[in-house]
Formats: sequence, structure tokens, C-alpha cells
Amino acid sequence: GNSVTQMEGPVTLSEEAFLTINCTYTATGYPSLFWYVQYPGEGLQLLLKATKADDKGSNKGFEATYRKETTSFHLEKGSVQVSDSAVYFCALSEDNYGQNFVFGPGTRLSVLP
Amino acid sequence: KAGVTQTPRYLIKTRGQQVTLSCSPISGHRSVSWYQQTPGQGLQFLFEYFSETQRNKGNFPGRFSGRQFSNSRSEMNVSTLELGDSALYLCASSSRDRVAEQYFGPGTRLTVT
Repeated sequence: GNSVTQMEGPVTLSEEAFLTINCTYTATGYPSLFWYVQYPGEGLQLLLKATKADDKGSNKGFEATYRKETTSFHLEKGSVQVSDSAVYFCALSEDNYGQNFVFGPGTRLSVLP
Repeated sequence: KAGVTQTPRYLIKTRGQQVTLSCSPISGHRSVSWYQQTPGQGLQFLFEYFSETQRNKGNFPGRFSGRQFSNSRSEMNVSTLELGDSALYLCASSSRDRVAEQYFGPGTRLTVT
């Protein structure tokens, strides 16, 4: 079946450091890929998405490129802020209508001032 | 536009009881999905409803059920509660023309004692 693997956390960085959170996936077809963020005490928020190979999703300084050849969708940000501290989930969906998402385990990011 | 709302936010029940959780999607969204989030299992898909019909179901026992009303509001029911049902239950809604783009509510934290 489909699956998503993320780098183990927690990840602790200093403010203004460069962030990479690795995500790789296994899917039988051509999924859409997503990054969601969960702040403490809240639900998940869609951060960015890519629907086909070589697409780059971007939002709030975060970027991720859909790499079909390496089945990856790594999340990057050039300069993190304390307010970026949260749990980040990589996810995929092969079913446009059933919306049967598969989420990765999440990576907790802590940014220190 | 108001976001996805879930009620109640917190709930404490005892083993053997049943519980009903409610979710109101974003206005105009007709698809509602439910997820269970636990530290051990992460985010797991429960089921998805569209126009009052269950379109997809995850791998959960029959004690977990749901329904959707004509106004797209959805309820989830868990009967004969077990300690392992303690979790954050998240609801997400989406509009059909947005490919698998889901918007999450803040969740209902269920504790079973």
C-alpha cells in the first residue's frame, strides 16, 4: 500500500537557520503531495502542495519540489523563525475524489531564539 | 469564511460508553473526512462522506461509524468505548473542485478512562 516516510524528530534549530525536513513516499500511481503544519493545540493547516512531477509548492517561505525519480518531497525554508515551531506532516493522496490521505508520522520542529 | 468547527473540543468518557462528535465544514464544502490522531499511530483515516454518502472507509472496527446530513454537517459515533480510543479526532472538509485540498478543524480531544 501507499506510505509516507519522514525524518525522525525532533529537529531543533536556531532562528534564521536553514531547514530541511525529508519526506519520501511509496505509491502505486501518481499521487498529489502535501505538507501540513500543526501548531500546538490546533488542527492541521495546509502549508503547500504539488500535484505532478517537478511541481514546486511554496508558501510562507517554505518550498518543496515533487521529485518523481527519487519519490521525494522534501520541505525547505531558508531562514526559520521561532513562530515556525510546530509539527510538520508530509502526506499523499492518489484519489482525487475519495480523498483517502496517507500521512507521514510528523516531524516536530523547535526553533530557538 | 468561517473555518471547520468541531464540538465538543474536549470530552471525557468511561469504558463501555458511547460518544458522538460533531463537525461543521466550511460553507460550500460537501466532503467531510474524519481522522484519529494518537502519539503511537499518528494520523489515521477513519472515513469520508460526500453528499450524505460514505465514499471511503479506513481500517477501523465497526464500533466507529459516521453520517452526514443534507447541510454537510457530519457526526462521528464510537460505541462501546475502549481505553485505546483516547485520541484527538480531527475532521477535515474540502470542496470537490479542489484536488484533495483539505481544511482541518481544531479537533476533539477524547479521553477514555
